Amino acid sequence: QTVVTQEPSFSVSPGGTATLTCGLSSGSVSTSSSPSWYQQTPGQAPRTLIYSTNIRSSGVPDRFSGSILGNKAALTITGAQADDESDYYCVLYMGTGMDHVFGTGTKVTVL
Amino acid sequence: QVHLVQSGAEVKRPGASVKVSCRASGYTFTIYYLHWVRQAPGQGLEWMGIINPGGGSTAYAQRFQGRITMTRDTSTSTVFMELSSLRSGDTAVYYCARGVYGDYGFDQWGQGTLVTVSS
Repeated sequence: QTVVTQEPSFSVSPGGTATLTCGLSSGSVSTSSSPSWYQQTPGQAPRTLIYSTNIRSSGVPDRFSGSILGNKAALTITGAQADDESDYYCVLYMGTGMDHVFGTGTKVTVL
Repeated sequence: QVHLVQSGAEVKRPGASVKVSCRASGYTFTIYYLHWVRQAPGQGLEWMGIINPGGGSTAYAQRFQGRITMTRDTSTSTVFMELSSLRSGDTAVYYCARGVYGDYGFDQWGQGTLVTVSS
C-alpha cells in the first residue's frame, strides 16, 4: 500500500522560510496527482491552502505557495508568522476509484 | 457564501451504526462532489469516500468498503454518511468537504461531527 510521506515536524524562525514536502513511499509525485495542502490548528476544521499543485485557495496569503520539487510536492511558507504554527497535511489523488490519500502531516513550529 | 453545516455529536455503542449529515448552501449543490474525511483523536486526517450529489454515484476508500454508505437529498442540499458495525477505533471527528470543481482535493470544509463509540 502506498504511503504519502511528510516530515513529522519542522521548525522555522519568525520571518524565515519553510519548505514542507509530500512524497510517495514508492514512486514520484507529479502534477497528475493534483497535490493539495491543508492547514489545521488544534480543535479546528482543516483550512484549504493550495490545490492543483500551486493554486491558492480564496483568501490565502501569497506567502503560501505550492510546487513540485524533484519527485515531491512542496509547500513553501515565506516570511513565517507566529500564527503559521499548525499542522499541515498534503493530499494526493491516486487515480483509482477517486481515491484521495492524506499525507502523514507535518507539525510546524515558529520560534 | 459557501457553508457546509454538519449534524451534532453522537455517542454510539459498539456494533451500532451512525448517520452524519452535511447540509450545503451558497452554491449549486449538484455540481460539486462532496467528500468525507475523518480524524481520530491525536491522529491525522483520513479520506473515507466521495459522492456526486448530481447523480448520486459514490466511491469509497477500500478500508471502509462494506461498512459505509453515502447518500444525498437534493431537495435539502444534504449529503449523508452512514458507517455501520462501529468499533472503538471509529471514534473520531468526521468532516464533510467540498471537492474542487473540475479537479481533485477539497476547497471548503464542514465544522466536523464528533462520533464517540463506547460501551
